[in-house]
Amino acid sequence: ETGVTQSPTHLIKTRGQQVTLRCSSQSGHNTVSWYQQALGQGPQFIFQYYREEENGRGNFPPRFSGLQFPNYSSELNVNALELDDSALYLCASSLVALDTEAFFGQGTRLTVV
Amino acid sequence: KQEVTQIPAALSVPEGENLVLNCSFTDSAIYNLQWFRQDPGKGLTSLLLIQSSQREQTSGRLNASLDKSSGRSTLYIAASQPGDSATYLCAVRDAGNNRKLIWGLGTSLAVNP
Repeated sequence: ETGVTQSPTHLIKTRGQQVTLRCSSQSGHNTVSWYQQALGQGPQFIFQYYREEENGRGNFPPRFSGLQFPNYSSELNVNALELDDSALYLCASSLVALDTEAFFGQGTRLTVV
Repeated sequence: KQEVTQIPAALSVPEGENLVLNCSFTDSAIYNLQWFRQDPGKGLTSLLLIQSSQREQTSGRLNASLDKSSGRSTLYIAASQPGDSATYLCAVRDAGNNRKLIWGLGTSLAVNP
């Protein structure tokens, strides 16, 4: 049990819709990262938030956006969903120090039809 | 550009064998390397974290080594059990590149009773 909680666990959306995924980070962790994992692939970095500011972004279009709240929980928003957005979305929390361990939630399985 | 490769892609062994999973990375400028376990359709469980200044870490039947200069890490699993069946992923925290985790594609392990 990592203390990182994601909701919902599964979600089905229609192409063109918008979705919000949520993550509660482990107590004391101030950094949240989001990853997309397609079937059979390794996770791909979407972005990272530290103290409510985005401080790193991967190669994802602007329709992928996020928020971090004062309690360090986070949201991932995806607009104008495409079929290729179907994946497991993983949230990781850690301390800002780069030598600390990242802990992951169980993921949200998003299916776009 | 940092790239992470894991060999083999899949492995099937009888129960009780000792195993070695390999991870290689192209750029030695890393902060740390982390090994994870992923069960089908599930999130990531952190197994071991090795800092760039360390050579190895041990947890129970697991031992991970790191040779940063040659860009290699191995995960050694002693006396494998059917419950070890999962996909094992390694990730490096890149010193450049937004300091994000860069992932391999994983080794899918099946331990047969």
